[in-house]
Amino acid sequence: DQQVKQNSPSLSVQEGRISILNCDYTNSMFDYFLWYKKYPAEGPTFLISISSIKDKNEDGRFTVFLNKSAKHLSLHIVPSQPGDSAVYFCAAKNDYKLSFGAGTTVTVRA
Amino acid sequence: DGGITQSPKYLFRKEGQNVTLSCEQNLNHDAMYWYRQDPGQGLRLIYYSQIVNDFQKGDIAEGYSVSREKKESFPLTVTSAQKNPTAFYLCASSMRASNQPQHFGDGTRLSIL
Repeated sequence: DQQVKQNSPSLSVQEGRISILNCDYTNSMFDYFLWYKKYPAEGPTFLISISSIKDKNEDGRFTVFLNKSAKHLSLHIVPSQPGDSAVYFCAAKNDYKLSFGAGTTVTVRA
Repeated sequence: DGGITQSPKYLFRKEGQNVTLSCEQNLNHDAMYWYRQDPGQGLRLIYYSQIVNDFQKGDIAEGYSVSREKKESFPLTVTSAQKNPTAFYLCASSMRASNQPQHFGDGTRLSIL
């Protein structure tokens, strides 16, 4: 049973505009949420995280929002740059285990 | 440079053979993890270890085995009992505190001929 879902497999955005990636989860025991970025044939790279006791965390161009009542989080990238083209994974932590979504492929158009 | 090294990057084995994937880290992390990624899917946890000489099964441990004899090393053996071993395997490590992110190696792509 998939506990973390990314319902949009792909997203295309123009350079300079905002990218919004969404993630839903079902397990209320998750206490920490992360976003990873992955290029082909490489391992995921940690981007940003948020604790379940917060509703927003910002780091440069990246902001993560958490809505616990809706069991939903989102990643905003603004402005989007060509180097942001990659697969983005949402992950949720319970104890020491991470559960991952299936990923969203972001393409930034010039 | 500190990091996680997985070797080899590509691995081919005949059906029925056991194969061991290497993972070494010099980040002084206590916890290490093995994941499997299949096309169009997220990462699924195979095994994890929070401390030397101790490890736990993840969500898809059947057909796999691990050891953790040293803090720096967490090798994964894909046995002949694993029914569909062709996949991209990723190793990760982290500090033990629950708010610390996992850091990943660049993966090993295993193909069974």
